[in-house]
Amino acid sequence: GENVEQHPSTLSVQEGDSAVIKCTYSDSASNYFPWYKQELGKRPQLIIDIRSNVGEKKDQRIAVTLNKTAKHFSLHITETQPEDSAVYFCAASKANAGKSTFGDGTTLTVKP
Amino acid sequence: DTGVSQDPRHKITKRGQNVTFRCDPISEHNRLYWYRQTLGQGPEFLTYFQNEAQLEKSRLLSDRFSAERPKGSFSTLEIQRTEQGDSAMYLCASSLGSGGLDTQYFGPGTRLTVL
Repeated sequence: GENVEQHPSTLSVQEGDSAVIKCTYSDSASNYFPWYKQELGKRPQLIIDIRSNVGEKKDQRIAVTLNKTAKHFSLHITETQPEDSAVYFCAASKANAGKSTFGDGTTLTVKP
Repeated sequence: DTGVSQDPRHKITKRGQNVTFRCDPISEHNRLYWYRQTLGQGPEFLTYFQNEAQLEKSRLLSDRFSAERPKGSFSTLEIQRTEQGDSAMYLCASSLGSGGLDTQYFGPGTRLTVL
């Protein structure tokens, strides 16, 4: 089955700096890669996603890149703000095939 | 609120008791998923439904766990003879399940504590 590895497990940055979180996946048939943000005690919230027919997608301060050949994808947050502090999860799935496999999360702390 | 809802939000039970959780998906969503999340980990897939059909079950789902979605709307997850290792957050998610876009939207979760 699919295996998703996520790094780093913790990340601390100064406000205004950029943050990068990386994930690798094992199943070359996976073609849908969402990223979720989970604040303490709250539900995971989708922040951005990418499909395998696209190499990069951007939404304001957040971008995701995908390298299908290397089977890895990354989340980039620019101009970080304290409210970006949360746990971020990557996931991989096959569109229309059910379950997502999640990474173990990255705890991002943005220091003011 | 038109998002995914779950009930109860918290459940404390004694080992050996049975518990049942409910999930109400977003109304037009055909797919419903159950995940389990423990501290410091990402959500782990348990099972999912397409309408009322249960299409996949994880090997994590022992015979003490059963899930139903009888009319293709809400779903229940039952755990029989609970064990302390069942303590976790149980998350439900739903998705439209068509057109190749299967974005999953999560509910707030039910936190289970087994004493």
